[in-house]
Amino acid sequence: KAGVTQTPRYLIKTRGQQVTLSCSPISGHRSVSWYQQTPGQGLQFLFEYFSETQRNKGNFPGRFSGRQFSNSRSEMNVSTLELGDSALYLCASSAGGGTGELFFGEGSRLTVL
Amino acid sequence: GQSLEQPSEVTAVEGAIVQINCTYQTSGFYGLSWYQQHDGGAPTFLSYNALDGLEETGRFSSFLSRSDSYGYLLLQELQMKDSASYFCAVRYQGGKLIFGQGTELSVKP
Repeated sequence: KAGVTQTPRYLIKTRGQQVTLSCSPISGHRSVSWYQQTPGQGLQFLFEYFSETQRNKGNFPGRFSGRQFSNSRSEMNVSTLELGDSALYLCASSAGGGTGELFFGEGSRLTVL
Repeated sequence: GQSLEQPSEVTAVEGAIVQINCTYQTSGFYGLSWYQQHDGGAPTFLSYNALDGLEETGRFSSFLSRSDSYGYLLLQELQMKDSASYFCAVRYQGGKLIFGQGTELSVKP
C-alpha cells in the first residue's frame, strides 16, 4: 500500500508569490490534515479535511487555504508569501478509528527568499 | 487555548531508560498520542492513550493520568537509532490534533 505522497518535495519562492502544495493520502483514507513545522515551533495545525469539507482550522491567516477533492487528494495554497512562511509543510492522512493515528508524508520544504 | 508542554531536549546513554513528560490543557481532551520524527523525516505514530494507565509496545510505553493532565513516553533499552524528536499530541473535542513542540532525544554510546 502506497504511503502519503507530497509534491513538490522542495521549492523556492520569493516574497509576494503564491504556492500550491499537493498531498495524495493513503488509499481509502478520507481525512487529510496539514501541519507547518518550523524549528522550535513543533508542528502547527493548519487545517483538516474530511470528504471534501474543512472540518477544523488552525490559527493561521487567511493567506493559508486548502481544499480536498472527491478522490481525497488535497491541496494547500499560500498566497502573498512572507519570509516567515519558510517551513516544512506536512500532510497526514487518517482512516479514523479510535487512535486517530496519522500517517505523514515526507513533507514539502518551502523556502521564501 | 490548547497547549502542550514537553522538555525541549533530553540526553541519555545506550541501554538506559528515559522518560519524556507531557502536560496539557484539559478542556475538551480526548486522548494523548506520541509520534517519533527522525531528522528530516516524516513523523511516525508510536502510541495512543485514551484512558488512564500504561500502554506498552515493545521497548516503548506510554502513560496517561487524566486527573493530572499529564502523560509520558518511556523508552527502555535505549539504542542509538532512538535518537530523534518525540512529539506528544492531544486530540481535542471536534477532532483537532494539537502537537507539542517536541523533545529532541540524543542517545550517546
